[in-house]
Amino acid sequence: ETGVTQSPTHLIKTRGQQVTLRCSSQSGHNTVSWYQQALGQGPQFIFQYYREEENGRGNFPPRFSGLQFPNYSSELNVNALELDDSALYLCASSDDRRRSGNTIYFGEGSWLTVV
Amino acid sequence: QKEVEQNSGPLSVPEGAIASLNCTYSDRGSQSFFWYRQYSGKSPELIMFIYSNGDKEDGRFTAQLNKASQYVSLLIRDSQPSDSATYLCAVRSGGGADGLTFGKGTHLIIQP
Repeated sequence: ETGVTQSPTHLIKTRGQQVTLRCSSQSGHNTVSWYQQALGQGPQFIFQYYREEENGRGNFPPRFSGLQFPNYSSELNVNALELDDSALYLCASSDDRRRSGNTIYFGEGSWLTVV
Repeated sequence: QKEVEQNSGPLSVPEGAIASLNCTYSDRGSQSFFWYRQYSGKSPELIMFIYSNGDKEDGRFTAQLNKASQYVSLLIRDSQPSDSATYLCAVRSGGGADGLTFGKGTHLIIQP
């Protein structure tokens, strides 16, 4: 158990729809990041939030957006869903007040299928 | 473009032997290095991280880092069938805001 919880576990959406995924970070962790993992691939960094602001972003279009709340929980929103958005979406939390050797823990993930 | 390269495998190792997993990375600015284990259908589980050159041991696992060669490895001693999984190597720059860059993973099979 990493203490990082995600919801929903599985969901199916239709192309063009919008989806919101949620994450509660491990207690005391102030940084949350989101990753997309397609089948057979390693996770790809979407973006990171620290103190409620996005402070890092990977190579994902603006239709991928997020929020972090004062309790450090977070949401990932994806608009105008495409078939290629079908993947496992992973939330990770860390405490970036520590030095570069901090630990980064993943939640169980949300499986998104776009049909 | 930051890249992390791993041999996709499968790597087959007899039970009780040492499994050796390798990873190379392209960004010389990388500061932190992570190994994750991922069982089929599950999320990645952190095994260990390393950020100094040399070896770091934790139980049956040893991570080795050589920044000059841009090379990270993971050794698993006394391999067990339960070690059969995909092992993901990930690196992170010193600033931390770039997130982790992952390889595609090595599929490890421990043969009973």
